[in-house]
Amino acid sequence: RKEVEQDPGPFNVPEGATVAFNCTYSNSASQSFFWYRQDCRKEPKLLMSVYSSGNEDGRFTAQLNRASQYISLLIRDSKLSDSATYLCAVNADRGSTLGRLYFGRGTQLTVWP
Amino acid sequence: GAVVSQHPSWVICKSGTSVKIECRSLDFQATTMFWYRQFPKQSLMLMATSNEGSKATYEQGVEKDKFLINHASLTLSTLTVTSAHPEDSSFYICSASGRAVYEQFFGPGTRLTVL
Repeated sequence: RKEVEQDPGPFNVPEGATVAFNCTYSNSASQSFFWYRQDCRKEPKLLMSVYSSGNEDGRFTAQLNRASQYISLLIRDSKLSDSATYLCAVNADRGSTLGRLYFGRGTQLTVWP
Repeated sequence: GAVVSQHPSWVICKSGTSVKIECRSLDFQATTMFWYRQFPKQSLMLMATSNEGSKATYEQGVEKDKFLINHASLTLSTLTVTSAHPEDSSFYICSASGRAVYEQFFGPGTRLTVL
């Protein structure tokens, strides 16, 4: 079983739409969760960390459900510039691999005018 | 924010040659650096974790003799792809963490094409 499973996508939505991505993780001891954005042929850039209480940054809302072991990302009022691949990441917390992140495969989002 | 640079940004080489990729943390000391590989439309696959002053820890299936990693200082790690073959063509990305162990900052990546 993979450490992190992510919605396969792709998601194609019109401008202004609300779109949600989910990601499940297998290690219940994981402590840190992140959403990254990756543009074509570029490196991933941290979009936001995911906190237990959920957190919001403008049009982006991240939530964590420890009981069901999943994290989500909600994008409201989608913009053309939101088109990218969104990767979830979960930390490993085992001895020498402390700090290691496990990445989901990524979900491709295309926002059309 | 923390800045990580990577050099070169792209490289084209002949099969059988070796290629060295540098990863530098410019404004912080990176106690740990990670090397990833990403094939088209695939996710980031961790190749190895490197801690300053010690041997790298390689992921299962990654040949340590083929992908040589050196992390001699707190700001520099290098990945050398030895005897590169076309199947090694990929996007190689490093990341560095230091200030907060769970926060990683990515370099811009190196696109390797082996002819």
